[in-house]
Amino acid sequence: AQRVTQPEKLLSVFKGAPVELKCNYSYSGSPELFWYVQYSRQRLQLLLRHISRESIKGFTADLNKGETSFHLKKPFAQEEDSAMYYCALKKSGGYQKVTFGTGTKLQVIP
Amino acid sequence: DVKVTQSSRYLVKRTGEKVFLECVQDMDHENMFWYRQDPGLGLRLIYFSYDVKMKEKGDIPEGYSVSREKKERFSLILESASTNQTSMYLCASSFSDQPQHFGDGTRLSIL
Repeated sequence: AQRVTQPEKLLSVFKGAPVELKCNYSYSGSPELFWYVQYSRQRLQLLLRHISRESIKGFTADLNKGETSFHLKKPFAQEEDSAMYYCALKKSGGYQKVTFGTGTKLQVIP
Repeated sequence: DVKVTQSSRYLVKRTGEKVFLECVQDMDHENMFWYRQDPGLGLRLIYFSYDVKMKEKGDIPEGYSVSREKKERFSLILESASTNQTSMYLCASSFSDQPQHFGDGTRLSIL
């Protein structure tokens, strides 16, 4: 079975401080990992996926297969980063279902 | 831009009622999904469909059913609504193995 763990329900950081949102997964095959974000009163949207290896809004995430982690990082937090962040996993290829973590609320303090 | 439209933003129903939640997407996506979103529990998959008239159970299908008669429309049905089905319901769609696109959600209250 595939599982995604986000250990922090709430993460509060000051503006300008580094951010790291933790995500660990368990899956025996070859996974595809995602980060989704939901800003207040907006729909859930894709932030980034590991196969793209890109930086979106200053956020990056590296898949560490040895530690089975996909932590989301940003060097300098901005107030507009305050949102709910979900890590998600699916089997590579095809329509296979996506498993979401329980989410971490990021609060950036001005 | 992909548009996933859920018919209602807010819905209030009574215990025992049959409830229909509708979702329409305009990008000819073959995959469609229904989730419920609860604080502390994240998103949990109820049902998904990878083609017209096809459906598969997700992680929490009990008390729900779905219908996909047309490619663009995926309906979630609460056969006999109960108070523990009060939640935010999210519909999503995707093409092949691409990331999912979500609707705005329906906040359903069962009294």
